[in-house]
Amino acid sequence: AQKITQTQPGMFVQEKEAVTLDCTYDTSDPSYGLFWYKQPSSGEMIFLIYQGSYDQQNATEGRYSLNFQKARKSANLVISASQLGDSAMYFCAMREGPSGGSNYKLTFGKGTLLTVNP
Amino acid sequence: EAQVTQNPRYLITVTGKKLTVTCSQNMNHEYMSWYRQDPGLGLRQIYYSMNVEVTDKGDVPEGYKVSRKEKRNFPLILESPSPNQTSLYFCASSSPGTGGTGELFFGEGSRLTVL
Repeated sequence: AQKITQTQPGMFVQEKEAVTLDCTYDTSDPSYGLFWYKQPSSGEMIFLIYQGSYDQQNATEGRYSLNFQKARKSANLVISASQLGDSAMYFCAMREGPSGGSNYKLTFGKGTLLTVNP
Repeated sequence: EAQVTQNPRYLITVTGKKLTVTCSQNMNHEYMSWYRQDPGLGLRQIYYSMNVEVTDKGDVPEGYKVSRKEKRNFPLILESPSPNQTSLYFCASSSPGTGGTGELFFGEGSRLTVL
């Protein structure tokens, strides 16, 4: 079974609108971390946002927020007020085990290609 | 500037010609890892290293070797490259308590084509 599932291969959004990128995960470990990375066409991987499994509040970083629904095992990325520069591939990833533990491996989803239209 | 540096960034080679992709980080991170990215498959881990002289296989290690003789360097070696190793390769590093999240810091990627 896939540990990270991103069901949207591609998404389109109008500039200035909000968009939600879906991510579901599968783990039996009670302690884990969820990450979103952005990959623009230039190819580099840019860390956007992190949510720990025990964090009480949803993570936010500027225009990015993570809609964490633990019971549903979902960690959707919400981008508010989309900009043309947000056009990129977005990857959801999970680390099983606590932050600061011995496991640093991230398991990635297949990605969602977001296109922002003017 | 804190960074992970990979070389070469782009390489076209032929089947069977040994090559090495270098990776160096200047953040004193214990953990380093290699991933490959293929369309429709996301990123998959090839090898990782928890510290000097400690390496282990990831999910797709076949056809690759690594070494960790110094903390800052973690080269990826393709002894006899084949066309199915054509991919975008990323080196990444991390350390306990990095940003409190354990996030991975990625290099800029190395695009390898094997003819």
